[in-house]
Amino acid sequence: SQELEQSPQSLIVQEGKNLTINCTSSKTLYGLYWYKQKYGEGLIFLMMLQKGGEEKSHEKITAKLDEKKQQSSLHITASQPSHAGIYLCGADFLNNNAGNMLTFGGGTRLMVKP
Amino acid sequence: DADVTQTPRNRITKTGKRIMLECSQTKGHDRMYWYRQDPGLGLRLIYYSFDVKDINKGEISDGYSVSRQAQAKFSLSLESAIPNQTALYFCATSDLLAGETQYFGPGTRLLVL
Repeated sequence: SQELEQSPQSLIVQEGKNLTINCTSSKTLYGLYWYKQKYGEGLIFLMMLQKGGEEKSHEKITAKLDEKKQQSSLHITASQPSHAGIYLCGADFLNNNAGNMLTFGGGTRLMVKP
Repeated sequence: DADVTQTPRNRITKTGKRIMLECSQTKGHDRMYWYRQDPGLGLRLIYYSFDVKDINKGEISDGYSVSRQAQAKFSLSLESAIPNQTALYFCATSDLLAGETQYFGPGTRLLVL
């Protein structure tokens, strides 16, 4: 969706390096979700951000929501081959408890070289 | 056992054929969704259902229909399959009381020849 742009579209990093994936919205964000997808498989929920300035971490993955910029970033520290996959951000633009229709970005394909 | 299951996992069909993709969930969620994923386009919403009596069109519903047979089952049909419906299809569930996070099935890979 052009309402939600992810960058970069693809990324190749050396194992052990840090990396950042960005998700930028053209509309007001009421919720931002990050998912990881292994190639050709289902989506795994990583974390959800709702408040401006909110930051959440799980193991070596940290996500932040910059409300002013309408942007979220996903940062992976000391990347490992197990981090490889497609990272998708999904945005809740409605904030009306109408079922949380998510609009997804195009995804970022991450490869980690051993 | 997986909370959200999809059958079949892979399907090859011919143009003009009618096919059905099925989704079942054991999470007890009220809300279910069907998405398709195409390379570089992320996920796009086809249909969604808030409960058994509620069906809504999503962003790209043309050429598709759905049936919510029970709270736990939501099926997607392609009435007359065409090659540009070749994609990876995902079912998802959510629940207002569970924070509205969507939980996805493993996907069905469909190839229309």
